Amino acid sequence: SAVISQKPSRDICQRGTSLTIQCQVDSQVTMMFWYRQQPGQSLTLIATANQGSEATYESGFVIDKFPISRPNLTFSTLTVSNMSPEDSSIYLCSVVQGDYGYTFGSGTRLTVV
Amino acid sequence: GDSVTQMEGPVTLSEEAFLTINCTYTATGYPSLFWYVQYPGEGLQLLLKATKADDKGSNKGFEATYRKETTSFHLEKGSVQVSDSAVYFCALTRNQAGTALIFGKGTTLSVSS
Repeated sequence: SAVISQKPSRDICQRGTSLTIQCQVDSQVTMMFWYRQQPGQSLTLIATANQGSEATYESGFVIDKFPISRPNLTFSTLTVSNMSPEDSSIYLCSVVQGDYGYTFGSGTRLTVV
Repeated sequence: GDSVTQMEGPVTLSEEAFLTINCTYTATGYPSLFWYVQYPGEGLQLLLKATKADDKGSNKGFEATYRKETTSFHLEKGSVQVSDSAVYFCALTRNQAGTALIFGKGTTLSVSS
């Protein structure tokens, strides 16, 4: 199955700033998914990123706040823009590969102060 | 839309007790069903899955059976160990290429010796 390298693993950021999270996959994948896990909560899908087209966002998430890039089949970034303390969460990327199923990155623990 | 409902936690058990974590789903068509586990300080790991009605997924002593008639996928283990203490997530995905996982809220299991 795919191996995902996600970074940074954690960061503490000032409100009003932006943070870009990177996910690198060791094999080519069509779809990448970005999730948010708020403290003590489940994983909520932010968007689906397909290489060569704009990401598809779920209800409640907008491109201006969470811009996503997908420049090739092994890489994607998620930016959390104009951060507020409510954005403090764990952000995870995920891929799916046929019979191997879904693989998750190790997550980025973001704290906004 | 599609959704997953899990029993509320936390669930607190003594070692060797029987475990059941209830999970029901709402979905159009015939989804695939999953249980993921998140150990303290670690990332998400696939525990087991089932892709069609009456399938039984099993791993590490855990079992779950895909029940279409009751739209359920309850997780069971006959004898829990302290090392099973973790958060358990039920999830589904539609059997279409490139669709993301939809997660339940998670159930925290705490096992004491």
